Amino acid sequence: AQSVAQPEDQVNVAEGNPLTVKCTYSVSGNPYLFWYVQYPNRGLQFLLKYITGDNLVKGSYGFEAEFNKSQTSFHLKKPSALVSDSALYFCAVRDLTGGFKTIFGAGTRLFVKA
Amino acid sequence: NAGVTQTPKFRVLKTGQSMTLLCAQDMNHEYMYWYRQDPGMGLRLIHYSVGEGTTAKGEVPDGYNVSRLKKQNFLLGLESAAPSQTSVYFCATTQGALEQYFGPGTRLTVT
Repeated sequence: AQSVAQPEDQVNVAEGNPLTVKCTYSVSGNPYLFWYVQYPNRGLQFLLKYITGDNLVKGSYGFEAEFNKSQTSFHLKKPSALVSDSALYFCAVRDLTGGFKTIFGAGTRLFVKA
Repeated sequence: NAGVTQTPKFRVLKTGQSMTLLCAQDMNHEYMYWYRQDPGMGLRLIHYSVGEGTTAKGEVPDGYNVSRLKKQNFLLGLESAAPSQTSVYFCATTQGALEQYFGPGTRLTVT
């Protein structure tokens, strides 16, 4: 069965410092991996995805993620955090069988302190 | 171009009442999904549809029904609401295996 784990409920970082939000996955076959962000009282917004190709994927708002097949990880990163990055982040994997269902991690809350 | 919209935004129900949540999309996507979001549990799939006239059960379908009579609309029904269905409900659409587009959510409280 496909699954996604986000080992940290919360990540705290100072503004201007680099940030990392961790994600590991378990899939059969090649993974389709995604990161989404949710701001308060809003729906989820797509940040970036890995389908194939370069292991370093760049996305919206200066975020990037590194796909590591051997460690089955897809960590979200940003070189310099902003207070406005404070939000709830979800890692997700796409089930490519019947219906293209998406399995979401439990989410990691990011706090960026000024 | 509204994307994905949800109606209503908020609703309070008494136990045993019924209601329907409407999701509408103008992106011509084939796939539509209903999720519920509860604290610490991420998003859980309730039902989904791979095209007009088709529906299928997700991870937590009990107590909910859905219909996809038109490609652009996906309805989620609660026939007899229970306090355990207090949640935030999100609709999402996609075209194939790519990223999903989410609506703004419906906050439902069942007392």
